[in-house]
Amino acid sequence: AQRVTQPEKLLSVFKGAPVELKCNYSYSGSPELFWYVQYSRQRLQLLLRHISRESIKGFTADLNKGETSFHLKKPFAQEEDSAMYYCALKGSSGNTGKLIFGQGTTLQVKP
Amino acid sequence: NAGVTQTPKFQVLKTGQSMTLQCAQDMNHNSMYWYRQDPGMGLRLIYYSASEGTTDKGEVPNGYNVSRLNKREFSLRLESAAPSQTSVYFCASSQGQGGETQYFGPGTRLLVL
Repeated sequence: AQRVTQPEKLLSVFKGAPVELKCNYSYSGSPELFWYVQYSRQRLQLLLRHISRESIKGFTADLNKGETSFHLKKPFAQEEDSAMYYCALKGSSGNTGKLIFGQGTTLQVKP
Repeated sequence: NAGVTQTPKFQVLKTGQSMTLQCAQDMNHNSMYWYRQDPGMGLRLIYYSASEGTTDKGEVPNGYNVSRLNKREFSLRLESAAPSQTSVYFCASSQGQGGETQYFGPGTRLLVL
């Protein structure tokens, strides 16, 4: 079964502290993984995708096939990082781009 | 470009009433999606449309119907609303054909009493 698990509903850190939002997936084959973010009163938007191997707003995520994980990391959290973060997996459904989302983690960065 | 637009923004229904949520995109995308967002459940796919004229069930299709009216528009209908359908509904679109970045609408908050 294809599944995405985000074990933490809420992650609370102080400004300047490192952040790691966990994501584990279940998928047979080569996965394509993404992180989406929803800031307060804004629409959900793509943060980064593992294929691009890019760093967006200081966030990085490395695909670990051995541990079936795609954790999102940032060395120094900022207050503006407070948001809901969703990990997503592209399902094996042809060319629709259909995604399977995790349950989401709310990141709260305290001053 | 407006991107993905949804109407209405907020709606209150009584159990048994029907309504249609509207979604439109102006990015010439092939694929469109309807999700519901519930606390602790994340985003769950209700229905999707890979291209104009096609629709397929997602993870939680029961109680819903959809129509891909044309390439721009994808509507979601609740024929007989139930309190369990109280949720925030998001429409999204993507290029499809392997393009995975999804662009989301602002959401519709639905309360069923």
